[in-house]
Amino acid sequence: ETGVTQTPRHLVMGMTNKKSLKCEQHLGHNAMYWYKQSAKKPLELMFVYSLEERVENNSVPSRFSPECPNSSHLFLHLHTLQPEDSALYLCASSQDMELSGNTIYFGEGSWLTVV
Amino acid sequence: GESVGLHLPTLSVQEGDNSIINCAYSNSASDYFIWYKQESGKGPQFIIDIRSNMDKRQGQRVTVLLNKTVKHLSLQIAATQPGDSAVYFCAENINDYKLSFGAGTTVTVRA
Repeated sequence: ETGVTQTPRHLVMGMTNKKSLKCEQHLGHNAMYWYKQSAKKPLELMFVYSLEERVENNSVPSRFSPECPNSSHLFLHLHTLQPEDSALYLCASSQDMELSGNTIYFGEGSWLTVV
Repeated sequence: GESVGLHLPTLSVQEGDNSIINCAYSNSASDYFIWYKQESGKGPQFIIDIRSNMDKRQGQRVTVLLNKTVKHLSLQIAATQPGDSAVYFCAENINDYKLSFGAGTTVTVRA
């Protein structure tokens, strides 16, 4: 139990569907992240939020839309995805955005399959 | 671009032996490094970290070594157990909030 909870753990969606991934952290952290993990590739940073404000959009296509309503919740809204978007989507949090000495803690991930 | 890489994608180790997982990084300005363990079907789990002003740090059964001269990071696991079977990632802090991850080393523990 890392204190970062993601739902759903598994999701299968069609290319025309709209779905959302949810993340909640119980650590009192101020920064939250979305990462994408594809097979045989390093983790890719997608979005960074600090105190509910987005500070990074790492060239992510607009079919991925993040939302951070408060410092403990983070969503990733999905719309008209492509099969190549199938991956493990990891939510993470850290005490602050300044990482030197501030570890990032990951959730268990949401396995997404786009059909 | 600069990236973090691992020397070997797989490592097979006998139960009870020590494991050494290596990682090379190229950003000499990185000042913070982390090792993560990822078991099948789970998210990455923090193992141990080290700042660039140190060259060694020990945890429970794990030791991280940092050699800034050759930009090399290693994770040593003492008395490897079956529960240590997982993918191990190193990550370097390349700026305030960005971590650059290696592709991972898959460790398999033989009984």
